[in-house]
Amino acid sequence: DGGITQSPKYLFRKEGQNVTLSCEQNLNHDAMYWYRQDPGQGLRLIYYSQIVNDFQKGDIAEGYSVSREKKESFPLTVTSAQKNPTAFYLCASSRSDRVAWLNIQYFGAGTRLSVL
Amino acid sequence: AQSVAQPEDQVNVAEGNPLTVKCTYSVSGNPYLFWYVQYPNRGLQFLLKYITGDNLVKGSYGFEAEFNKSQTSFHLKKPSALVSDSALYFCAVRDKNYGQNFVFGPGTRLSVLP
Repeated sequence: DGGITQSPKYLFRKEGQNVTLSCEQNLNHDAMYWYRQDPGQGLRLIYYSQIVNDFQKGDIAEGYSVSREKKESFPLTVTSAQKNPTAFYLCASSRSDRVAWLNIQYFGAGTRLSVL
Repeated sequence: AQSVAQPEDQVNVAEGNPLTVKCTYSVSGNPYLFWYVQYPNRGLQFLLKYITGDNLVKGSYGFEAEFNKSQTSFHLKKPSALVSDSALYFCAVRDKNYGQNFVFGPGTRLSVLP
């Protein structure tokens, strides 16, 4: 988990509330990712960003939003439009250079989100 | 489209015995294959990757994986399992033609029994 910090470790959301998950990296990586993990389903990509001020939707972006104002930071907001937000959320980062497909993703320790 | 299958939800093995965690994949181009391990309530840790070259790839903690193009498989192996190897293992594929994104398998839970 070194180099990528996710906070908080546990988060509770009330109905109708937006919550924001923090992800900070000190690896000087250009690319950052958000995944959702549900039991038996592996990881599903929510959003990713290859450079500051730019991000792309992943497979399950509905009900989520992100920003990438700084290279080190890629916060994820779970909005009230996400009707089933209970899951384990993982942030990752990687280099983003010419041989990008070779780059390993490094993961944070995750945030477990539950609905009250 | 890319996809990854891990046909076993759970693998049980006795300590000291060899272990195998299976992975098959589907990509349209050349596959780049990865194994990650996840301990409880933690992020994923990189174990090893196959890009090109020798079909047998050696990685962290004594793990290795064998790439088999004809069977589209990339099984993870270890000659002698440890109780501390008990964790959730994910196979992932990246297709050069689909940019940077990984596709992860559903995971296989490995239990090593003392």
